[in-house]
Amino acid sequence: DSGVTQTPKHLITATGQRVTLRCSPRSGDLSVYWYQQSLDQGLQFLIQYYNGEERAKGNILERFSAQQFPDLHSELNLSSLELGDSALYFCASSAQGHYGYTFGSGTRLTVV
Amino acid sequence: KNQVEQSPQSLIILEGKNCTLQCNYTVSPFSNLRWYKQDTGRGPVSLTIMTFSENTKSNGRYTATLDADTKQSSLHITASQLSDSASYICVVSASKGETTDSWGKLQFGAGTQVVVTP
Repeated sequence: DSGVTQTPKHLITATGQRVTLRCSPRSGDLSVYWYQQSLDQGLQFLIQYYNGEERAKGNILERFSAQQFPDLHSELNLSSLELGDSALYFCASSAQGHYGYTFGSGTRLTVV
Repeated sequence: KNQVEQSPQSLIILEGKNCTLQCNYTVSPFSNLRWYKQDTGRGPVSLTIMTFSENTKSNGRYTATLDADTKQSSLHITASQLSDSASYICVVSASKGETTDSWGKLQFGAGTQVVVTP
């Protein structure tokens, strides 16, 4: 157990639908990062939050949005889902001033 | 162009043999370099993290080297085991001025897929 908790582990939904992925960072970590990994592809950075504020943005589609709540958990919202959104979505967390960067076990999203 | 290039893309090795994976980067200014192991369908797990001043770091049978002058790193796996079959990802962090913390933008390599066969 890495300490980073992602739910749900698996999600199957239809095109056009909206889903929410949840991430609880390691205790004490203020930064949360979201990544997308499509089949046989590398990790693609989506967005970073630090203590509730958006810190950095990567290749995140306009249909996707995220937020970090006061208790530091984060949610990634994916809307108007397309078949190509099927992927593993990973969350990672880190503490400021620490080189460590811990990943959760991911949410596998399948859009049918 | 990706700022972190890994080679080979994939390799197959016999159990018990050694292998070396390569990572070349152009990320600047450099903060640190990390190697991760990712089992299929699982989250990446950190193997080593090296800063500018570190040349070598070991984690069990995994040894990473860093040459910051040539911007090259390698990950050496000794006496491979079947459980070493995974994707190995090189991740380089750029520093934000003197603040070398996790806010630095990470650049991910595409990974090297290692298959260890009996």
